[in-house]
Amino acid sequence: GQNIDQPTEMTATEGAIVQINCTYQTSGFNGLFWYQQHAGEAPTFLSYNVLDGLEEKGRFSSFLSRSKGYSYLLLKELQMKDSASYLCVLNTGGFKTIFGAGTRLFVKA
Amino acid sequence: NAGVTQTPKFRILKIGQSMTLQCAQDMNHNYMYWYRQDPGMGLKLIYYSVGAGITDKGEVPNGYNVSRSTTEDFPLRLELAAPSQTSVYFCASSYSNPTAASYNEQFFGPGTRLTVL
Repeated sequence: GQNIDQPTEMTATEGAIVQINCTYQTSGFNGLFWYQQHAGEAPTFLSYNVLDGLEEKGRFSSFLSRSKGYSYLLLKELQMKDSASYLCVLNTGGFKTIFGAGTRLFVKA
Repeated sequence: NAGVTQTPKFRILKIGQSMTLQCAQDMNHNYMYWYRQDPGMGLKLIYYSVGAGITDKGEVPNGYNVSRSTTEDFPLRLELAAPSQTSVYFCASSYSNPTAASYNEQFFGPGTRLTVL
């Protein structure tokens, strides 16, 4: 079967760094997405990891370890607008994706 | 480009009523998807389509039907609305080269908030 685990909620301070972890179990794996979803809005793409290692894109970085079934999203220099849900999403083959429930991040001043 | 558009934005239905949620994309994507998102839950795939004339069931298809007569449009039909179908519905599309390491970012519409009373 397939399973995705990520914390339900996290709180961090403006200007700080936060790491959102995701562990998964799956029989098929092509890659792992991170999406951002603001309350009441649609998810938007942040990153996609296929190989082990760190992918950096501005303030956001995503890490993948395929052997450990583990990924994290790192957000630097937090801003108030980063308050949102962050969805860990498995690409299990071709177009097939499995969405995690998401981690709600609250950024406080 | 408008991207992925959905109508209506909000709808209240009575039990047993039917309705069609509209979805269109202008990016010439071959893959399209319908998801539902319940509070505190991840998105669940209802139906998907890999091209015009081809549709298939996702994880939670019961109570829904779809059609894909054109590349652009992918409507979702609810025949007999039930309170369990109260949810937010997202349509998405992607263009994928079907290789093992395909990169297929999905582009989402703004969602339709449906309440069945």
